[in-house]
Amino acid sequence: GDSVTQMEGPVTLSEEAFLTINCTYTATGYPSLFWYVQYPGEGLQLLLKATKADDKGSNKGFEATYRKETTSFHLEKGSVQVSDSAVYFCALKQGGSEKLVFGKGTKLTVNP
Amino acid sequence: EPEVTQTPSHQVTQMGQEVILRCVPISNHLYFYWYRQILGQKVEFLVSFYNNEISEKSEIFDDQFSVERPDGSNFTLKIRSTKLEDSAMYFCASSETLSQGWKTQYFGPGTRLLVL
Repeated sequence: GDSVTQMEGPVTLSEEAFLTINCTYTATGYPSLFWYVQYPGEGLQLLLKATKADDKGSNKGFEATYRKETTSFHLEKGSVQVSDSAVYFCALKQGGSEKLVFGKGTKLTVNP
Repeated sequence: EPEVTQTPSHQVTQMGQEVILRCVPISNHLYFYWYRQILGQKVEFLVSFYNNEISEKSEIFDDQFSVERPDGSNFTLKIRSTKLEDSAMYFCASSETLSQGWKTQYFGPGTRLLVL
């Protein structure tokens, strides 16, 4: 079945550092890909998405590009802030299905 | 900004007991979902619900689970006879109705269930 693999955390960075969180997927066809973020005490929030190959999703300085050839959707940010500290989840969704298939999540801590 | 709410935030129960987890989806949403995350594992889809019936469910969602929309605002997940392995964080989500295209799923903060 479909699956998502994320880099293991936790990840600890200093403010203004460059962030990459790796995500690869296994799926048939052409799923849509997502990054969700969960801040402490809150629900998962959609951060960005891409629905077809070579699409780039972006939001709040975060970016991810749908790479069909490497089945990847890595999350990047050029300069992280303390407020970016959260758990980040990569996910996919197949057309015709309602369910999101998630990775395990990667906890990011940004220190001042 | 409207949000999905869940109650209780934490619940402790004895094995074999019934539990009901409650969710209030965003008011104009018509698709509802439950997911769970066992500690250290992935967030897993349980079930989706639309028009007062289950539209999709996973193999995890067996006969001990049921969902209901008892009134115009609540969406519940019932576990009839809890097992130790049901201990997890349970997330409710809802999405708006669109004739086509992607419907963003909005998640609640979760209910942490501990079965002793």
